Parts: sequence; structure tokens; C-alpha cells
Amino acid sequence: QQQVKQSPQSLIVQKGGISIINCAYENTAFDYFPWYQQFPGKGPALLIAIRPDVSEKKEGRFTISFNKSAKQFSLHIMDSQPGDSATYFCAASMLTGANNLFFGTGTRLTVIP
Amino acid sequence: NAGVTQTPKFQVLKTGQSMTLQCAQDMNHEYMSWYRQDPGMGLRLIHYSVGAGITDQGEVPNGYNVSRSTTEDFPLRLLSAAPSQTSVYFCAIRAGSKTGELFFGEGSRLTVL
Repeated sequence: QQQVKQSPQSLIVQKGGISIINCAYENTAFDYFPWYQQFPGKGPALLIAIRPDVSEKKEGRFTISFNKSAKQFSLHIMDSQPGDSATYFCAASMLTGANNLFFGTGTRLTVIP
Repeated sequence: NAGVTQTPKFQVLKTGQSMTLQCAQDMNHEYMSWYRQDPGMGLRLIHYSVGAGITDQGEVPNGYNVSRSTTEDFPLRLLSAAPSQTSVYFCAIRAGSKTGELFFGEGSRLTVL
């Protein structure tokens, strides 16, 4: 059973457009929500992360929006660039105990010039 | 790849053969883990370890064995490979107990015929 549900599976956006990827979770004990970016042939790398005590976090063109009551969070990529073309994974964990990360199924983003 | 070394990068096995995927780190971090990545399934946790001599199961442990005799190494063993174990395997470490960030290796692509 997938602990974190992610959509869409794939996304095609024009250069300069906004890319939006959505995730939902069920376990209310999760308190850490990162997004990972993966390029072909490489391991995933942390892009941006949020804790549930804030509703939004922005780093450059990347923003996480978090809705605790709906148990949803999303990644927004503003002014999308061809170099942003990659697979994006949302994830969730509890920052206590083993602190294992549970990942969504991934979104393949293609930004066309 | 933050000091995480995986070997081999590619491997082809026949059904029933055994093999070991190696993961080594050079930063003395306690937490190490193995994930498998499959299309449409995202990254799923196989086994993890929070220190030398301590291992535990993740989401999909069946068919895999691990051990952690040293802080540096966390090998993943397939005792009798099956076609369902065809996947890309990633080793990941975590830098500290208070951070959720995982650092991934570059992956090992395994094909079981």
C-alpha cells in the first residue's frame, strides 16, 4: 500500500510555464515532507523540504505548498526550464525513530522549449 | 553522491542465482538503507540499518538479506534471484538523526532473466 500518492505520472510544460505536482498522504504522524529530483542515470537528490508547521516554503523557482487539514502537499516550479526536465518524487517521514522516507510513485516532467 | 559508492553498476543474473550488491560510505553515518526503483512504483524501501549490528525490514524485504558488520558497508544479498527482482537498486545514507535528508548512490541496475 502506497503511503504517499502522487500525481500526475507525467507532465509536459512549455518553457516559462508553471509545473505543478501533487501528493497526498494518510499517516498524520508524518512530519517531514521533502521533494526529490532525479536525472536519468543518477540517484535522487533533495530539492526542497517542508515541515507541517508552515503552509509554504519557497526556494528560488521551487515552492512547496502544504495543506495539513487536507493531508496534501504540492510542488510548484515557476518559469519552468528545459533543465528542469527530470523525474520528481514527493516523500514523507516521521523525524523520530528510524525516520524512514516513504516515496510517491514519481512524476516525469518534460519542459519543451 | 555524497560519499556513497555502489557496485556493480550493472548486473545480469539468471533465475536462481545469488549475488550481492555492495554499498559503502566514507562519512561514518549511522543510517543506511536500500531502495528499489520500478516504473510506476516509485522508490520502495527494502531494508535499513541505524547502526552497525542493527538492521530492519522496510516495505518490500522478501527475497533480500542484509547485514551491517561495519559502519561503512551495507551489502544487499539476493539469495535466489527472480525476474520480479529486476530493478534499479539505490543505497542511501542519512547525514544526521535530526535531518530527514537522504543521500543516494548512483544506483545498480539488475536484470534477472
